[in-house]
Amino acid sequence: SAVISQKPSRDICQRGTSLTIQCQVDSQVTMMFWYRQQPGQSLTLIATANQGSEATYESGFVIDKFPISRPNLTFSTLTVSNMSPEDSSIYLCSVVDGTYEQYFGPGTRLTVT
Amino acid sequence: EDQVTQSPEALRLQEGESSSLNCSYTVSGLRGLFWYRQDPGKGPEFLFTLYSAGEEKEKERLKATLTKKESFLHITAPKPEDSATYLCAVAVNSGYSTLTFGKGTMLLVSP
Repeated sequence: SAVISQKPSRDICQRGTSLTIQCQVDSQVTMMFWYRQQPGQSLTLIATANQGSEATYESGFVIDKFPISRPNLTFSTLTVSNMSPEDSSIYLCSVVDGTYEQYFGPGTRLTVT
Repeated sequence: EDQVTQSPEALRLQEGESSSLNCSYTVSGLRGLFWYRQDPGKGPEFLFTLYSAGEEKEKERLKATLTKKESFLHITAPKPEDSATYLCAVAVNSGYSTLTFGKGTMLLVSP
């Protein structure tokens, strides 16, 4: 299975600022995903990031708030823009391997004050 | 709308006390059902994928089964290190390999 790392592992940010989260995979993958896990909740898909095309966002998530880059087949970034306390969550990236099994990174714990 | 419901929300077991976790689903066309384990402060760890009714998979003390409406994660003689939140997710036939998750079952195994 793919090995996934995320940076930063955690951060505390001020309201109104932005944070960019990096996701690095140890092998080339076609599909990468970004999820949010709010406190005490399960995972919610934010968007699908494919290399060479615009990210596809799920209902309730917009590009202006969560811009995503996917410059190559091993790397992606998610930016959380103009943050509010409601954005405090764990943000997770994941990848799909050839068998459609999906593997997750360790997550980025974001606290907005 | 695709729905995944897990029960119970929380489960406390004594070490060695076997039990089962349930994941019921309502989807338009199931491509796969996934079980994950999540420890506090960490990302979900992949456990199993089940693709068709009647399929079973095992890993150490865990066994996952699938019917047309639900999946069970059986835990045999659990140990304290099995304590975690267990998440169920489904992938459907339409579109991408996106997953819809249930809310999870928090398992606590006491020594």
